[in-house]
Amino acid sequence: SQQGEEDPQALSIQEGENATMNCSYKTSINNLQWYRQNSGRGLVHLILIRSNEREKHSGRLRVTLDTSKKSSSLLITASRAADTASYFCATDDYNTDKLIFGTGTRLQVFP
Amino acid sequence: EPEVTQTPSHQVTQMGQEVILRCVPISNHLYFYWYRQILGQKVEFLVSFYNNEISEKSEIFDDQFSVERPDGSNFTLKIRSTKLEDSAMYFCASSLNRGAYNSPLHFGNGTRLTVT
Repeated sequence: SQQGEEDPQALSIQEGENATMNCSYKTSINNLQWYRQNSGRGLVHLILIRSNEREKHSGRLRVTLDTSKKSSSLLITASRAADTASYFCATDDYNTDKLIFGTGTRLQVFP
Repeated sequence: EPEVTQTPSHQVTQMGQEVILRCVPISNHLYFYWYRQILGQKVEFLVSFYNNEISEKSEIFDDQFSVERPDGSNFTLKIRSTKLEDSAMYFCASSLNRGAYNSPLHFGNGTRLTVT
């Protein structure tokens, strides 16, 4: 079964608009992380939210976590063309070493 | 800022050949990982490595795969007899603490493996 599923799969917005991406998962977690991937490059860690946290901010990023619904959202405010990338949520597989990545949201920000 | 480096950036090999993908993790990190991403698809966990041994591996990581930390800095992934379906982007990652437990992973830029 898929641990992390993001929606939408693709999102196109204009510069200055906000972008919201959602992630759902299936099992209990210790934490949920969001990563960004520019085309053809490695993943870059953006933010980590622990299972006992509900909201976290980092610059223009805001992440929420609802463990009762097993879902998280990533909000990028005042988007820029440089935010164009794929965004992945990743959850730990409880009591194992691995992070399980979702399917990703491809964000396109038009100048 | 320290980073994970991977070489080569692109490797082309013929089916049945052995390949070794190389990684230099961040120097004070203790946990090392290989993930792969088939073009346009999910990032899939292959293996984690700690204290000079595999701590976990996925179903993908069969007998054709092996990992090694031959010295204090390099971390390698070997595929003994490549198949067409091994074509993918392979990412090395490292973390200071156990990745699943509140520690972000630092990824390299990947090696694109093409098996012909």
